[in-house]
Amino acid sequence: GENVEQHPSTLSVQEGDSAVIKCTYSDSASNYFPWYKQELGKGPQLIIDIRSNVGEKKDQRIAVTLNKTAKHFSLHITETQPEDSAVYFCAASMGDYKLSFGAGTTVTVRA
Amino acid sequence: DTAVSQTPKYLVTQMGNDKSIKCEQNLGHDTMYWYKQDSKKFLKIMFSYNNKELIINETVPNRFSPKSPDKAHLNLHINSLELGDSAVYFCASSQGAEQYFGPGTRLTVT
Repeated sequence: GENVEQHPSTLSVQEGDSAVIKCTYSDSASNYFPWYKQELGKGPQLIIDIRSNVGEKKDQRIAVTLNKTAKHFSLHITETQPEDSAVYFCAASMGDYKLSFGAGTTVTVRA
Repeated sequence: DTAVSQTPKYLVTQMGNDKSIKCEQNLGHDTMYWYKQDSKKFLKIMFSYNNKELIINETVPNRFSPKSPDKAHLNLHINSLELGDSAVYFCASSQGAEQYFGPGTRLTVT
């Protein structure tokens, strides 16, 4: 099955700085890559996703890039704010309804 | 206007008991899921139903049995609870690739 690795496991950034989380996947058949944000005591919230026919996607302060050749994708958060503090998960899917998740990155934004 | 809701939010029970978790979605989605999040926050799919038909059944003990009475509901029944079943269980739904998660049910088995 698909194996998704995510790094780093923890990330501390100064407010206003950028944060980058990287994921790699094992199965070249994967074609859908969502990112989720999970705040304490809540369910994962879909924040952005990218499909394999696209190299980059942006939504305000967040962006995701995909390198199909290297089988890795990244989440970039610019101008971080305290409310960005959360656990972020990457995931990959082959379009078969099954999402394989990375282990998560705990992001702390220092004021 | 909750999209995916779960009840209960917290469930504390003793080993050997049988318990159920309910999930409802009002998004009109065809597909619903159960995920388990362990103490290290790792998320793993357990089951998925599409139009009331089971389409994903991961390696889960058969003490866990999902039931989908209709497209908007997916329940999870757990028999003979064990300490290792303690986790947060999330329901999710989708129409296409994007999956939307409920708030979770924290199950504690003592």
